[in-house]
Amino acid sequence: DGGITQSPKYLFRKEGQNVTLSCEQNLNHDAMYWYRQDPGQGLRLIYYSQIVNDFQKGDIAEGYSVSREKKESFPLTVTSAQKNPTAFYLCASSPQTGGYNSPLHFGNGTRLTVT
Amino acid sequence: AQSVAQPEDQVNVAEGNPLTVKCTYSVSGNPYLFWYVQYPNRGLQFLLKYITGDNLVKGSYGFEAEFNKSQTSFHLKKPSALVSDSALYFCAVRDREGGNKLTFGGGTRVLVKP
Repeated sequence: DGGITQSPKYLFRKEGQNVTLSCEQNLNHDAMYWYRQDPGQGLRLIYYSQIVNDFQKGDIAEGYSVSREKKESFPLTVTSAQKNPTAFYLCASSPQTGGYNSPLHFGNGTRLTVT
Repeated sequence: AQSVAQPEDQVNVAEGNPLTVKCTYSVSGNPYLFWYVQYPNRGLQFLLKYITGDNLVKGSYGFEAEFNKSQTSFHLKKPSALVSDSALYFCAVRDREGGNKLTFGGGTRVLVKP
């Protein structure tokens, strides 16, 4: 079955440590996205990539970094510079670059807790 | 800048009654509009979208939504709610002239009571 796989489902880290969240898709989608979800705030865009080796900052990119070396993979690193990293992180993809009427397909998320 | 508002944090409805979840949007150009549903600790699932054409859009699981350009609204509806419809619902908008960015509302929690 095609889909988006996010791992791990739950992640615990100590403050000051960088952590990388994995996102892999086998849908052959061009565009991939990272969103952060906090209670009552909906989803906020962190980074997105429309093509391999290219990505753009979203609304809340500070303290995060990404790479897009392969079409299938779009890992997100939460750095120690992110002031409030505890959140639910969602990865998504869409079928075509510039296909603005295409819905996003979401993974099942990674819940990151930093103490 | 584009934005989406979901004015109700929670909607309570009895099973079998009609369900409406409200959404209003703001874009500079013409919108693409979407509804998604999220179950606990899961990702979002696509329900339906409005691109162009008929203002009444039908989607998955018996849901539909009505696009109203003059009121800049895209309310989600279901004629007869089920307990299994209890979830978090998100409205989202893309501005056709604004690139590939999708902006989400804050979400509305729906609770359907038996």
